[in-house]
Amino acid sequence: GDSVTQMEGPVTLSEEAFLTINCTYTATGYPSLFWYVQYPGEGLQLLLKATKADDKGSNKGFEATYRKETTSFHLEKGSVQVSDSAVYFCALNTNAGKSTFGDGTTLTVKP
Amino acid sequence: GAVVSQHPSWVICKSGTSVKIECRSLDFQATTMFWYRQFPKQSLMLMATSNEGSKATYEQGVEKDKFLINHASLTLSTLTVTSAHPEDSSFYICSARTIDQYPSYNEQFFGPGTRLTVL
Repeated sequence: GDSVTQMEGPVTLSEEAFLTINCTYTATGYPSLFWYVQYPGEGLQLLLKATKADDKGSNKGFEATYRKETTSFHLEKGSVQVSDSAVYFCALNTNAGKSTFGDGTTLTVKP
Repeated sequence: GAVVSQHPSWVICKSGTSVKIECRSLDFQATTMFWYRQFPKQSLMLMATSNEGSKATYEQGVEKDKFLINHASLTLSTLTVTSAHPEDSSFYICSARTIDQYPSYNEQFFGPGTRLTVL
């Protein structure tokens, strides 16, 4: 079955540090890939997405590239801020419609 | 666009009572809605998939008689937790998907979640 494996957290960084959260997936067919962010007590917000190989999703300084050859979709940001502290979920969505989520990675950015 | 709302955002109830949670797609028609449950510091667990006008499909291990799902229209799905007990306390999140090109083909749009606390 489909699965998503995320880098285990928690991740603690200083402000302006470089962020990478690894995500790899296993899926049949050609899934769409997503990164969601969840702030405490809130639902999921779509951060970025990519629908086919070599697509790069980007938003608010975050980027991730759909790498079919390595089945990866790593999340990166060049300079994190305190306000980026949240839980980040990698997910895939197949044409069957269901989403499969990773376990989430908690990011804490310290001033 | 692509807004999904949930009501209520939080609810506290006594053990043994039933609680209904609504999920609405505000500006698009949702052919499919999904219900998730999230425990503290954990990922989302898919409970069931509901298609408008048909019975919901439940994931393995989810009690159909306890978590009643109705998807009566293309913009509304409801989750009713029957005879709630403290172990049902959780964060419930719905999402909506459309097969149309608007707002985005095959993408799920998430509601803000409902915090249920059963005393």
